[in-house]
Amino acid sequence: KAGVTQTPRYLIKTRGQQVTLSCSPISGHRSVSWYQQTPGQGLQFLFEYFSETQRNKGNFPGRFSGRQFSNSRSEMNVSTLELGDSALYLCASSAGQGAGQPQHFGDGTRLSIL
Amino acid sequence: GESVGLHLPTLSVQEGDNSIINCAYSNSASDYFIWYKQESGKGPQFIIDIRSNMDKRQGQRVTVLLNKTVKHLSLQIAATQPGDSAVYFCAEISGGSNYKLTFGKGTLLTVNP
Repeated sequence: KAGVTQTPRYLIKTRGQQVTLSCSPISGHRSVSWYQQTPGQGLQFLFEYFSETQRNKGNFPGRFSGRQFSNSRSEMNVSTLELGDSALYLCASSAGQGAGQPQHFGDGTRLSIL
Repeated sequence: GESVGLHLPTLSVQEGDNSIINCAYSNSASDYFIWYKQESGKGPQFIIDIRSNMDKRQGQRVTVLLNKTVKHLSLQIAATQPGDSAVYFCAEISGGSNYKLTFGKGTLLTVNP
């Protein structure tokens, strides 16, 4: 069974631009969650999508948004990029909604803002 | 590889020794806990989980202990191997559908051959 796939692996953008990251969950998994990982803040929860609806949200500004498609694939968008948005963005999938079960992570997209 | 964190607590052990990685969690209402392993350049990998109605759970070469009185979680790795070298995170989860998930900062485990 293929794992969680994130594309692209690396991305370089400049301040003010926007970016879209993609995540394909494990086949059969309907929940997709997004996380930001930085050296200073560690791993922080962004949001979770289940059945094309955002079910839970962390403490990030509205510049961070996402969506999920009918095939459970998910995209995350960050608008008006800031230097502080440089991070590893991780996607995780699980069979059901909520954090009460193990999540399987992809290897992330490394986003660098110049 | 790339570092996933700076100024992480570190633990250095000899191959074959047992390792104990500790985690203090913050929310007494947390009812589910997970340990993850993250190797350089990769995403976190699920190791073992435990719910708050248990105080111990064992997997293959790993044991998680939960002490709710002092809000402490530990991960024990038996017969540590070089392949166990990684950053280990604990995660605590509280709430139902609007759950709150918080990760610890991580511990860097280095296994010396």
